[in-house]
Amino acid sequence: EPEVTQTPSHQVTQMGQEVILRCVPISNHLYFYWYRQILGQKVEFLVSFYNNEISEKSEIFDDQFSVERPDGSNFTLKIRSTKLEDSAMYFCASMGTSTDTQYFGPGTRLTVL
Amino acid sequence: QKEVEQDPGPLSVPEGAIVSLNCTYSNSAFQYFMWYRQYSRKGPELLMYTYSSGNKEDGRFTAQVDKSSKYISLFIRDSQPSDSATYLCAVSSWGKLQFGAGTQVVVTP
Repeated sequence: EPEVTQTPSHQVTQMGQEVILRCVPISNHLYFYWYRQILGQKVEFLVSFYNNEISEKSEIFDDQFSVERPDGSNFTLKIRSTKLEDSAMYFCASMGTSTDTQYFGPGTRLTVL
Repeated sequence: QKEVEQDPGPLSVPEGAIVSLNCTYSNSAFQYFMWYRQYSRKGPELLMYTYSSGNKEDGRFTAQVDKSSKYISLFIRDSQPSDSATYLCAVSSWGKLQFGAGTQVVVTP
């Protein structure tokens, strides 16, 4: 069964460093998303991406964040200068065209020290 | 007012009981309703999806939507210890999902 994959599973970084979180969506899906979940809190939408451009972003997704689909399979989230409060689980999701059903990856746990 | 309200629990039930979970939402523009299951430090796993009022059944799971009351429910019949997880409701009008806080369910043998 096709699934969304994410790497790394856990990333530890120092405050101020850049991180890139990687996702491989389900192969025939065209809509891609990033969400985050701070420990003990709800899953929050960050950004949606379709046709090689951002279609919607939340107020969390400020200038420190960017997304890219560098090739036909990967979808990345970059945080330019990490802050302590960026520590969270980051989930990638993808969706096909027939239903509004998003499938999530296992997540990357980001720890900013 | 929060977009989606969900009681965080925990909800503890004995094995074999019916688990009843619910959420309310505030915006009538939401058209799609989902339930996800999340194990600790894992990604949300889609359980049920619906876009109309009424019931939808899949094995031991029944999702119920009442658009007039802006109320969604999930019922798990014959609950098993392996059903112990956090259950997240999610709503959308297209694309961006709005999640509830999640209800932690513990099924005791």
